[in-house]
Amino acid sequence: KAGVTQTPRYLIKTRGQQVTLSCSPISGHRSVSWYQQTPGQGLQFLFEYFSETQRNKGNFPGRFSGRQFSNSRSEMNVSTLELGDSALYLCASSLDRGLNEQFFGPGTRLTVL
Amino acid sequence: GESVGLHLPTLSVQEGDNSIINCAYSNSASDYFIWYKQESGKGPQFIIDIRSNMDKRQGQRVTVLLNKTVKHLSLQIAATQPGDSAVYFCAEYEAGTALIFGKGTTLSVSS
Repeated sequence: KAGVTQTPRYLIKTRGQQVTLSCSPISGHRSVSWYQQTPGQGLQFLFEYFSETQRNKGNFPGRFSGRQFSNSRSEMNVSTLELGDSALYLCASSLDRGLNEQFFGPGTRLTVL
Repeated sequence: GESVGLHLPTLSVQEGDNSIINCAYSNSASDYFIWYKQESGKGPQFIIDIRSNMDKRQGQRVTVLLNKTVKHLSLQIAATQPGDSAVYFCAEYEAGTALIFGKGTTLSVSS
């Protein structure tokens, strides 16, 4: 069974631009969560999607948004990029919500210049 | 918000030693805990989990201990190998909320 895939793996953008990252969960998994990982703040929860609906949201500004499609694939978007948005963005999928193991993808490394 | 922390940012051990990585959590309502391993250039990889109704759980070469009285979680790795070198994160989860990660402990195994 294929794991969680994320595209692109690396991305370089400039301040003010916007970016869209994609995540394909493990087949059959219906919950997708996004995390931002930086050296200073560690792994921080962005949002969780289940059945095409955002179920939880972390403490991030409205510039960060996401969505989930009917096939459970998910995208996240960051608008008006700032230097501080440079990070590894990780997607994780699980079978269902609640006390389920989350499987992580390799992440998208975003660099904002 | 509340967060999970780790006692030590780095841990260095010799190959063959047993390693113990500690974690303190602050949310007494958390009911699910997970340890992840992250190697350079990769996403976190599930190691072992434990639910709040348990005190101990064993896997292959790994044991997780949960002390709810002092809100402490530990990961024990037996016979540590160079391939165990990575960053280890504990994470806590309260039903209906999100997974909250600690800062991580870098384990270095020398042979």
